[in-house]
Amino acid sequence: NAGVTQTPKFQVLKTGQSMTLQCAQDMNHEYMSWYRQDPGMGLRLIHYSVGAGITDQGEVPNGYNVSRSTTEDFPLRLLSAAPSQTSVYFCASSRRPVGVGEQYFGPGTRLTVT
Amino acid sequence: GENVEQHPSTLSVQEGDSAVIKCTYSDSASNYFPWYKQELGKRPQLIIDIRSNVGEKKDQRIAVTLNKTAKHFSLHITETQPEDSAVYFCAASTNFGNEKLTFGTGTRLTIIP
Repeated sequence: NAGVTQTPKFQVLKTGQSMTLQCAQDMNHEYMSWYRQDPGMGLRLIHYSVGAGITDQGEVPNGYNVSRSTTEDFPLRLLSAAPSQTSVYFCASSRRPVGVGEQYFGPGTRLTVT
Repeated sequence: GENVEQHPSTLSVQEGDSAVIKCTYSDSASNYFPWYKQELGKRPQLIIDIRSNVGEKKDQRIAVTLNKTAKHFSLHITETQPEDSAVYFCAASTNFGNEKLTFGTGTRLTIIP
């Protein structure tokens, strides 16, 4: 099992550019989520999905889109990058409901927007 | 929505001493409380969790206590070792309806040799 994988590991964008952060899991988990981690702010939920075809907003969804066409993949799209989106992004997956089992995190993507 | 507050933000203890990190939550419906450890440059990893039908749970040197009435829970690490140095996050969620895991802001624990 590869667990939760994320690509790329590092990315530098210019303001206004768009890009997609990739996330995949091979554990057949229904629940997937995206967090951003900023110094002193903990892990803040951006979007989450409870299964293929179902997504919902988290705490800080503005400027991000997600889709869940398969159980395995949950990409995060930055529509028009802004310096405020400079952060470390973590994808996570777990069985449902949240709390039944451990949330497994990916290795993270460090994004810098200049 | 749920709000989780975590204290202290930084904690330094002598090797061998105990460390305690405290969290409070706002949503009385929350019933699942995990703790994650994040080493520098690594991903968060679950170290222990507790559900609301249990008041205390222990795993070797790590224990978590829950007070549902006061809506707070704590992580206790005994006989601390240098490898315990990391950032620790508490979190809270319900397992019905709103399936969101809300994290605290983290505690940077430093073990002084």
